[in-house]
Amino acid sequence: EAAVTQSPRNKVTVTGGNVTLSCRQTNSHNYMYWYRQDTGHGLRLIHYSYGAGNLQIGDVPDGYKATRTTQEDFFLLLELASPSQTSLYFCASSEKLGGTETLYFGSGTRLTVL
Amino acid sequence: GDQVEQSPSALSLHEGTGSALRCNFTTTMRAVQWFRKNSRGSLINLFYLASGTKENGRLKSAFDSKERYSTLHIRDAQLEDSGTYFCAAESSAGNKLTFGIGTRVLVRP
Repeated sequence: EAAVTQSPRNKVTVTGGNVTLSCRQTNSHNYMYWYRQDTGHGLRLIHYSYGAGNLQIGDVPDGYKATRTTQEDFFLLLELASPSQTSLYFCASSEKLGGTETLYFGSGTRLTVL
Repeated sequence: GDQVEQSPSALSLHEGTGSALRCNFTTTMRAVQWFRKNSRGSLINLFYLASGTKENGRLKSAFDSKERYSTLHIRDAQLEDSGTYFCAAESSAGNKLTFGIGTRVLVRP
C-alpha cells in the first residue's frame, strides 16, 4: 500500500512566521506535489517535483518555496507566513506525471496563520 | 485556463438510496480521477479513467472525453459514504491536474 506521511498534522503560526511542512513518501515514486485546499477552490497545485533536487512551479506558487531533498522527502516552506495562507495542505506522490498512475495523498496539514 | 465544474456542491441522501455527481470540463481532458475525503481528512483514490466506465462495489464512474464530462454514481448509499468527493481532470498535454471544488455528501439514516 502506497504511503505518504505529512507532518505536522496541525500548525499555528503568526503573520511573518517561518513554517516548514514536511512530506515523506515510501512508494519510490518520482513525482511529489504540494496542494492547498480551500472551500470553493478544490485543490490547487503549489509546487511539484519529479526527483531529488528538482522543483517545478504549480498554479499558486506565490509566497511558497519548496525543496526536494531526496526521492522520499519534499518540504513546503513559508518564510513569511500571511493569513491568506491559512489552509489545508496536502502532499501527494505519483509514479508518473499524468499517465495511468493515480495520486496518493497524505492526510493533510492544517495551517492557521494568525 | 482549464476549468472543472463540479456539481452539486452538496448532496444529502438517505441510506439505501442513490445519486450522481458530475464534473463538466471546459476543454478536452485526457483522463479523470475521483477522490473522497473522509472524516479523518484523508484523500482516498476511488477511480482513474481514461475512457468508458469503471465500477467498484456501490460506486460507478463514467468518463466521456468527447462530451467533456465525468460522473460518479453512488447506489445503495451507506453512512460511511459520507464525505467530500473531488474529481480531478488531466489535461490533454498530461502535465496538469485540475480539481473540481468538491461535493459534500451526507448520508443520513
